[in-house]
Amino acid sequence: DVKVTQSSRYLVKRTGEKVFLECVQDMDHENMFWYRQDPGLGLRLIYFSYDVKMKEKGDIPEGYSVSREKKERFSLILESASTNQTSMYLCASNELAGTGGNNEQFFGPGTRLTVL
Amino acid sequence: ELKVEQNPLFLSMQEGKNYTIYCNYSTTSDRLYWYRQDPGKSLESLFVLLSNGAVKQEGRLMASLDTKARLSTLHITAAVHDLSATYFCAVDIYSGGGADGLTFGKGTHLIIQP
Repeated sequence: DVKVTQSSRYLVKRTGEKVFLECVQDMDHENMFWYRQDPGLGLRLIYFSYDVKMKEKGDIPEGYSVSREKKERFSLILESASTNQTSMYLCASNELAGTGGNNEQFFGPGTRLTVL
Repeated sequence: ELKVEQNPLFLSMQEGKNYTIYCNYSTTSDRLYWYRQDPGKSLESLFVLLSNGAVKQEGRLMASLDTKARLSTLHITAAVHDLSATYFCAVDIYSGGGADGLTFGKGTHLIIQP
């Protein structure tokens, strides 16, 4: 079974703090993703990575950065946390199936971040 | 810009009844995914639909894909309480090169009452 783990289930931080959310997958997947989930807005893609040290912006990258130094690990960084970044953060991974293939993503348990 | 719309967004139904959740999307794609999310939990993959006319069934749930109409349906037969959850559809428009993210609908919050 694919396993995607996230470092914390719940996190409380203060405005202005630097926050690191860690994600690890154990299936040697090329691709990793960070989403945030908010009531009424669904899941929105923040950043993704298709290889070590490679990153691409998603739909809402502002206020976030990412790091992928090893294939199995993808970190989301909030340089200076703000209250509007209070949300559920979900990490996902998949392998590159190519056009016409199955690009199903596998999700971690999520980190519920509260910024006070 | 790809848009994915689900309806209804909220559905309360009685056990034993049948119902359908609809997922429309705005750009050509032949890959669509259904996920389930229980309260406070992550997303669990339900169905992967990879071609026009694809139909998948698991227990009381059946999903289908019509790429010409840009429509997928998730049909619930003889609902039971355990199916209460939020259901998301997601569309994949990956066209080559590196990875691409999925675009999700806003989710259908389903409550099944005895």
